[in-house]
Amino acid sequence: AQTVTQSQPEMSVQEAETVTLSCTYDTSESDYYLFWYKQPPSRQMILVIRQEAYKQQNATENRFSVNFQKAAKSFSLKISDSQLGDAAMYFCAYRSANGQNFVFGPGTRLSVLP
Amino acid sequence: NAGVTQTPKFQVLKTGQSMTLQCAQDMNHEYMSWYRQDPGMGLRLIHYSVGAGITDQGEVPNGYNVSRSTTEDFPLRLLSAAPSQTSVYFCASRTGLFYGYTFGSGTRLTVV
Repeated sequence: AQTVTQSQPEMSVQEAETVTLSCTYDTSESDYYLFWYKQPPSRQMILVIRQEAYKQQNATENRFSVNFQKAAKSFSLKISDSQLGDAAMYFCAYRSANGQNFVFGPGTRLSVLP
Repeated sequence: NAGVTQTPKFQVLKTGQSMTLQCAQDMNHEYMSWYRQDPGMGLRLIHYSVGAGITDQGEVPNGYNVSRSTTEDFPLRLLSAAPSQTSVYFCASRTGLFYGYTFGSGTRLTVV
């Protein structure tokens, strides 16, 4: 079974600085999808970014980008120019290409300091 | 607004009581799932459905039932509530293999 690990339970960053959240996963599959979700205090789960494993190019969405290292099974999230609204729990998630469901990591709580 | 609607947002139950968490989506998504979120454990899959009339168990199905009579609705039933079922519950839907889930706003359930 696949597992997703987020080794940083909590992190903090100064407003306008850059922060990187780490995620590693364990799988024997070659084709899969990876996601980062944000959960602010409102509890709503919001999709931040996604990556197909067969693509070598790292996904970017505005201030959010990933560093996808397939051989190392690593999928880190970089947030540039951090804003107060970025404060949230961040979850890394895995889904196999032919699977129906996601496997989530335990989450990283990000604080943004003014 | 289009999306996934969950009700209620908060609920307190006594041990042994039963209840149904409602979930509805208006995006015509085939796939729907129920997750529970517990501190330090991320989200764990309870049950899922790939279409009307088709459901299957996830990682933690014990104590829960689901049905999918229509594409839009996917209720989760707690048969006899236990304190171990105290959690935040999320319903989610998606279409296609590539896309991420759209989540509802969650239900915080406390069993006393």
